[in-house]
Amino acid sequence: DGGITQSPKYLFRKEGQNVTLSCEQNLNHDAMYWYRQDPGQGLRLIYYSQIVNDFQKGDIAEGYSVSREKKESFPLTVTSAQKNPTAFYLCASSMGTATEAFFGQGTRLTVV
Amino acid sequence: ILNVEQSPQSLHVQEGDSTNFTCSFPSSNFYALHWYRWETAKSPEALFVMTLNGDEKKKGRISATLNTKEGYSYLYIKGSQPEDSATYLCASWFNNAGNMLTFGGGTRLMVKP
Repeated sequence: DGGITQSPKYLFRKEGQNVTLSCEQNLNHDAMYWYRQDPGQGLRLIYYSQIVNDFQKGDIAEGYSVSREKKESFPLTVTSAQKNPTAFYLCASSMGTATEAFFGQGTRLTVV
Repeated sequence: ILNVEQSPQSLHVQEGDSTNFTCSFPSSNFYALHWYRWETAKSPEALFVMTLNGDEKKKGRISATLNTKEGYSYLYIKGSQPEDSATYLCASWFNNAGNMLTFGGGTRLMVKP
C-alpha cells in the first residue's frame, strides 16, 4: 500500500541532544513537508522540498535541519539550537503545486 | 508569513444540527485552497481541493464554497453526526510562496449524540 511512514511514533530526548525524525513515502511524490503542531495551535511549516537535493525554509526553520538525498526520504533533525522542541511533528508529501497533501501518523517529541 | 485564519476555534453541536466554519486568507496571489479532516489518532485527510472563485464542492453531507476575491471559504456540515467529530483544517497555496502549503489553526468540532 502506498503511503507515508514516520518513525518513531514517540521520541524522548535529553536537552542538548540532536535527534532525527524519519519520514519515508512510496507515493512517488516530488514535494515533501515537515510541520510542527503545538497544543491549541495549527500546523506550522518547518521545511519543505520540491525535488531531490533541494529544500526551502518554512516559517519556523530555526533550530532544525533537513536533507533530501532520495525522493522517498525527507528526514528532519531537531538540533540543540531549537529552544522549545517538545511538540508533535507531521510529515506530508504531495505530487506538486496545489495538489492534495498526504500525511504520516506523526512523531511526538518530548524533551526530558 | 501568510496568515490563514479559521473560526471558530472549537464548536460543540448536537447530533442532527447543521454547522459551518470559516477559513479566511489573503486574496492576493491566491492559488488554491484545501480542506482536511483530522480525526483523533489518525492522519489528516483531504476533503476538498478548490481553485476557482465561486467553486462549490460536495461530499455526502459536507460541502464547501470558495470566494477568492474576498478571501474566504466556508465548510458546511448538514445534519452533524458523532463520527463528524474531528479537527477541520484549511490550507492555502499562494503564487508568490513557492510550493508551500500554509495551514490555518483548525476548527475542532465535537458532535454530541
